[in-house]
Amino acid sequence: DQQVKQNSPSLSVQEGRISILNCDYTNSMFDYFLWYKKYPAEGPTFLISISSIKDKNEDGRFTVFLNKSAKHLSLHIVPSQPGDSAVYFCAAARTFGNEKLTFGTGTRLTIIP
Amino acid sequence: DAGVTQSPTHLIKTRGQHVTLRCSPISGHKSVSWYQQVLGQGPQFIFQYYEKEERGRGNFPDRFSARQFPNYSSELNVNALLLGDSALYLCASSLAVSGNTIYFGEGSWLTVV
Repeated sequence: DQQVKQNSPSLSVQEGRISILNCDYTNSMFDYFLWYKKYPAEGPTFLISISSIKDKNEDGRFTVFLNKSAKHLSLHIVPSQPGDSAVYFCAAARTFGNEKLTFGTGTRLTIIP
Repeated sequence: DAGVTQSPTHLIKTRGQHVTLRCSPISGHKSVSWYQQVLGQGPQFIFQYYEKEERGRGNFPDRFSARQFPNYSSELNVNALLLGDSALYLCASSLAVSGNTIYFGEGSWLTVV
């Protein structure tokens, strides 16, 4: 039972344009969402998070949008840079309780120079 | 400040053997979690420890065990290794038991032959 889904295994975007990565979840108990970036042979690097009390959080070039009614979140990267090429994982958690993160299967983003 | 550190970075074991993986959290972090990532999948939660107590366990067999030491470092032990245990094992740390940003180490690559 895949509770967090990233339906696009890969995405290619021209340098300087906007990259939009999508994530859907099924468990309505999730109330805290995170995006991680992962290069080959490295651990995931935290990018940005959002609590379910918000619908948008912005940090520099990265913005995460949350649509609770649709159980959907997206990560926007503007402008996209070659160094953004990596695998991006969406993760979900419950604020209270333990810290189990449930991850999606990842989207490989390639930025084309 | 050092991030989450894991050892060893790579190891090869034979089926039936035992393995111990080690993790040192970020200074000041009291929570340590372990995840398993197989190729093409997102990380899967194995355990969380906080203040030396188990606070969460994922859907893994009893061959997997862990503990946390007074200095908050942690060990993951896997007994009777199977070929399917070949994966990247990730350690993550955070300040408290829940509701905090979770930071990952580089991981330990385990190959079972």
